[in-house]
Amino acid sequence: GQNIDQPTEMTATEGAIVQINCTYQTSGFNGLFWYQQHAGEAPTFLSYNVLDGLEEKGRFSSFLSRSKGYSYLLLKELQMKDSASYLCPQRDSGGYQKVTFGTGTKLQVIP
Amino acid sequence: GAGVSQSPSNKVTEKGKDVELRCDPISGHTALYWYRQSLGQGLEFLIYFQGNSAPDKSGLPSDRFSAERTGGSVSTLTIQRTQQEDSAVYLCASSLKGQGGTYTGELFFGEGSRLTVL
Repeated sequence: GQNIDQPTEMTATEGAIVQINCTYQTSGFNGLFWYQQHAGEAPTFLSYNVLDGLEEKGRFSSFLSRSKGYSYLLLKELQMKDSASYLCPQRDSGGYQKVTFGTGTKLQVIP
Repeated sequence: GAGVSQSPSNKVTEKGKDVELRCDPISGHTALYWYRQSLGQGLEFLIYFQGNSAPDKSGLPSDRFSAERTGGSVSTLTIQRTQQEDSAVYLCASSLKGQGGTYTGELFFGEGSRLTVL
């Protein structure tokens, strides 16, 4: 399996920028997702990276470095509704495509 | 509906009883995943289906847990002789198998089945 490592908790201020880091095992890598999960709800898809570089989607951007086994999610112009857990599951290579989640980062946005 | 549907949404059972949890994936999605999430924890992988076969059952916690998928569609997760440590939210997700290119093969999640074992 993949050893996905993220900070457990982060706090940031409304209107600011926050970067959530994620490291993973590089062997068997076939793409990395970012998901958002509000308390008591199902995870929802934010982004997907399989090649190196930055993917931008509105206020959210995701970066991947395959050689370093490293990704980050950048959230700009933070809003209170961005308070949630952020998960960076990894997809396996190979014939089937198991997707493994870590414990996620719980982000609290404060006024 | 257009999304992943799970039932029941809530299940309270007594220790030792069997429970069945159902997942109806998005039509046409060939891949189906079951995860378990305990309070405040991440998602724990249980089993993956591609079509009706399960190439990876490595996450099933014990032989009390089993799952099947029929017709490449609906899946049932069965827990026999439930224990209090089985209490969690059981999440199902489906996806098209990634075809490369710009398609992400993202997972679409249902709302989950919350299981409480007394």
